[in-house]
Amino acid sequence: DTAVSQTPKYLVTQMGNDKSIKCEQNLGHDTMYWYKQDSKKFLKIMFSYNNKELIINETVPNRFSPKSPDKAHLNLHINSLELGDSAVYFCASSHLGSYGYTFGSGTRLTVV
Amino acid sequence: DAKTTQPPSMDCAEGRAANLPCNHSTISGNEYVYWYRQIHSQGPQYIIHGLKNNETNEMASLIITEDRKSSTLILPHATLRDTAVYYCIALPEGAQKLVFGQGTRLTINP
Repeated sequence: DTAVSQTPKYLVTQMGNDKSIKCEQNLGHDTMYWYKQDSKKFLKIMFSYNNKELIINETVPNRFSPKSPDKAHLNLHINSLELGDSAVYFCASSHLGSYGYTFGSGTRLTVV
Repeated sequence: DAKTTQPPSMDCAEGRAANLPCNHSTISGNEYVYWYRQIHSQGPQYIIHGLKNNETNEMASLIITEDRKSSTLILPHATLRDTAVYYCIALPEGAQKLVFGQGTRLTINP
């Protein structure tokens, strides 16, 4: 049983399209995160949700909208995709206040 | 959060101990030292953390100097599967997010 699972694993799409990435965790954690890793391999946090409430929103374009239907799921919807959105997106989860995060295996998004 | 400094890359022979240094000279009393690693094409993986005392688990040992200005992650018997980027992160209790630096790219050679 995968602890933090993301779908899809790969996503190739054209500029201007709208796409979603899904994340689910079965660890009973109450906090979930989205990280972006660009081509230079820098890992940057984008969003964090605790019990379905947004607690971190870094300076991310508002084309990116996270949605947490329940504390086990955190999806990322991206509107009007741009070339610069190409990256690997990682979902993670933890208990609030714990830094032993569990990460998913990533979604490689390529915008062409 | 305290800034950490790590060498950009290191090599180690398979079967030997890999010692990865981290400098955190501005660390404050309530900041923990966390270590993660990222194996190629995978998500980061938690390894170990500590505050003052040395820590050991099934993956690694963490040695923190008495003044807490630096630490060393030790992989006692490195294998090829330990080739990864290793991140040292200093975090105060209650911090809301994990912030990754550039890390050390450790290559284990056969």
